[in-house]
Amino acid sequence: DTAVSQTPKYLVTQMGNDKSIKCEQNLGHDTMYWYKQDSKKFLKIMFSYNNKELIINETVPNRFSPKSPDKAHLNLHINSLELGDSAVYFCASSQEAGRSGANVLTFGAGSRLTVL
Amino acid sequence: KQEVTQIPAALSVPEGENLVLNCSFTDSAIYNLQWFRQDPGKGLTSLLLIQSSQREQTSGRLNASLDKSSGRSTLYIAASQPGDSATYLCAVSKSGGGADGLTFGKGTHLIIQP
Repeated sequence: DTAVSQTPKYLVTQMGNDKSIKCEQNLGHDTMYWYKQDSKKFLKIMFSYNNKELIINETVPNRFSPKSPDKAHLNLHINSLELGDSAVYFCASSQEAGRSGANVLTFGAGSRLTVL
Repeated sequence: KQEVTQIPAALSVPEGENLVLNCSFTDSAIYNLQWFRQDPGKGLTSLLLIQSSQREQTSGRLNASLDKSSGRSTLYIAASQPGDSATYLCAVSKSGGGADGLTFGKGTHLIIQP
């Protein structure tokens, strides 16, 4: 059973389109994240979310919007895609702060987005 | 702002050698430090987690050390094998809360030659 699953694994689209990447975790974790890994392989956090609060990284354009229908899902919606959005996006999850295992992240396999 | 640096960026060694990967961070006020492994086209696998109060952690042929005051960590791989070939990432957590996530280094791309 996959602990953190992302779909789709590959996504190729045109500039200006709107797309979503879905993420689901079956670990019972309280906190979920989206990370972006650019062409230089640098991983940077975009968002973190638990069932109380969404933390937005200030460097993330507001074209990116995370949506969490429940604590097991954190989807990433991107509006008006740009060439620079091409990257691999990783979803992750962890236990809530203060609990055993807090900050031990489990990552999904990644979703490679290519914007043409 | 926390910055994490990993040296070397790439390393190629013959099978069987022992090797050390280095990680440094600018802000010593960390909660923990983790080493991850990333295989091409796949997600990250957590290898070792060192809490800020600890000095080292061991798992099989891997040993990670932490010198929080100097802002350094090393990952020691003993008796390297071709299956160890991957990118190794170091990441630090600023606080006990998960909301801040992790700050990653750019990784060390390791190739073990058969």
